[in-house]
Amino acid sequence: QQQVKQSPQSLIVQKGGISIINCAYENTAFDYFPWYQQFPGKGPALLIAIRPDVSEKKEGRFTISFNKSAKQFSLHIMDSQPGDSATYFCAASTTGGFKTIFGAGTRLFVKA
Amino acid sequence: NAGVMQNPRHLVRRRGQEARLRCSPMKGHSHVYWYRQLPEEGLKFMVYLQKENIIDESGMPKERFSAEFPKEGPSILRIQQVVRGDSAAYFCASSPPQTGQETQYFGPGTRLLVL
Repeated sequence: QQQVKQSPQSLIVQKGGISIINCAYENTAFDYFPWYQQFPGKGPALLIAIRPDVSEKKEGRFTISFNKSAKQFSLHIMDSQPGDSATYFCAASTTGGFKTIFGAGTRLFVKA
Repeated sequence: NAGVMQNPRHLVRRRGQEARLRCSPMKGHSHVYWYRQLPEEGLKFMVYLQKENIIDESGMPKERFSAEFPKEGPSILRIQQVVRGDSAAYFCASSPPQTGQETQYFGPGTRLLVL
């Protein structure tokens, strides 16, 4: 019940295309869903996050879509650029809780 | 405003030795978390600490692993009698007290290689 399932494991997108990464969770107590971006040799960096009271959040080219009834959320990267090539992790946690549960990660490669 | 600092960045140990990983949280942050990342895998929670207190260590292996966050100085993750399976990247994250554990800022990690 503590798992966050992420797909796909890897993704190749043409420059200018849309990258879509999906995550699903089981624990309905989760109420905070961040996405992290990690470049090789670096630590993860918070990219964008959403709470279940909204169905969508957009920051620049990055959008989170959230479906509370399906217990799914996804990251959309519009106009994908080669500089977006990185590993993306979805995560889930509970307000006041101690753990952030991470998905297994998606390695995105954007072809120039 | 320096970010989360971890050292060493790379650590090589032989089986049976001790590994000591250090983490200095961002200024003003009082919550520290340790995660382990195996190659091609996600981040696995290990332990959550506040100053002088271990809040949740449910992700820590029962033996050989310990963590502390003293009143003064960095947080330390200690691995005794390392084995090859301990080879991984260990990340520390910190968060400010007012937001709790939601907004975590990660350090660059320590890559441990056990020969």
